[in-house]
Order: sequence, then structure tokens, then C-alpha cells
Amino acid sequence: GQNIDQPTEMTATEGAIVQINCTYQTSGFNGLFWYQQHAGEAPTFLSYNVLDGLEEKGRFSSFLSRSKGYSYLLLKELQMKDSASYLCAVKRYGGSQGNLIFGKGTKLSVKP
Amino acid sequence: GAGVSQSPRYKVAKRGQDVALRCDPISGHVSLFWYQQALGQGPEFLTYFQNEAQLDKSGLPSDRFFAERPEGSVSTLKIQRTQQEDSAVYLCASSLRSVDSTEKNIQYFGAGTRLSVL
Repeated sequence: GQNIDQPTEMTATEGAIVQINCTYQTSGFNGLFWYQQHAGEAPTFLSYNVLDGLEEKGRFSSFLSRSKGYSYLLLKELQMKDSASYLCAVKRYGGSQGNLIFGKGTKLSVKP
Repeated sequence: GAGVSQSPRYKVAKRGQDVALRCDPISGHVSLFWYQQALGQGPEFLTYFQNEAQLDKSGLPSDRFFAERPEGSVSTLKIQRTQQEDSAVYLCASSLRSVDSTEKNIQYFGAGTRLSVL
């Protein structure tokens, strides 16, 4: 089977750095996505990792370790608009079940 | 260009009523997905289309749920005889390639339809 775990909620201060962790157990791993979802809105693509290491994109970075089944999303210089849910999603080979399995999401609250 | 569009944004149905939810994917996208998202949860897969072919419907919770994409573009998710447990946000996503592509093949989501069954 497959299992994706991420913290339910996190709180951080404006201007700070926050790391959102995601651990997974799945067969046929073929990459990991992070999406951002503001309340009542569409999930929007943030990052994709298929090889081990860090991918940096502006204030957001994502890291993957395939041997550990572990990823994190790092948000720097937090802004109030970063308050949202962050979804970790594992892509699998073969396409069954649409080949993207989502975690339950981490609700991040950024406080002044 | 336009993103994925879903309508209606909100739907209130009486228990037992049939509903139809519409998805307009990004033009030219081969793959179309429907997900169900409960409050405070991640999206859960319902069904997948490659062009007009429904290749996977393993996530549909019961035979009251039916989806179609007859011309390989717009898709409709129909729920018959709605029940209270059907209350959720229904998300549609599309991607450029089929799911067996080895490329990252980002799924682009619509804002969803929030269904409330009373």
C-alpha cells in the first residue's frame, strides 16, 4: 500500500523560515510534488523532485531523499500570504489511481 | 491562457437529488482527473480520463457516481440520489500528457465545486 504523512498544522512568524516535512511509503515511486492550496481555492503547483537533493525556486525550496522516503518544503522570508495548506503528493509509475497520491496537507498559519 | 474551470462553484442539493458537476480542462490536455476533497484532507482520486477514454474509475465510491468526457475535452461528474456523505469539494485537474508519461506531467487544478447535501 501507500502512506504519506505530514504534520496537520504549523504556525510560524512573518519573516521567518519554516520547514514542512513529508514522509512516504509507496511502491513504484516516480517523483514527489508539493502544492499550495489557499482556503476555497485550487491547489497550485509549487515544486517537483524526482532525484535526491534540493530544488530551489525563489523563496521556496524542496528536498528529496528517496532512500529515506522523505521530503521537505522550505519556505523562507515568510509572508502573510503564505498562510495556506501545503500538500505533499507522490507520483507513481503505472498510472493507477491517477498516479498521484496526496497527503492530508499541512495547514500553515503565518502570524505577524 | 485559461486554466481549469469548474462549475458551479457551489451546489446545494437535497438528499436524493441528482447533481451534475462540470469541468473545462486546459485546452489540449490529454489527461483529466476528478478528486474528492473532504474538509481538512488532501484530494482523493475518483477517476481518470485519457482523451475520451475512462481508463480508471477505481476511486468512485459507489455506482451512484458516474463521469464522462465524450469528446475528450469537457467532463461531467454526475452523482445520482445524493446522500449527506457526498458533501465535499470535487476537484478537477488536467495534465498535458497521459499518466504513463515519465515526465513530471504537472496536474493543474480547478477551484472545485463545493457540494452540500442537506
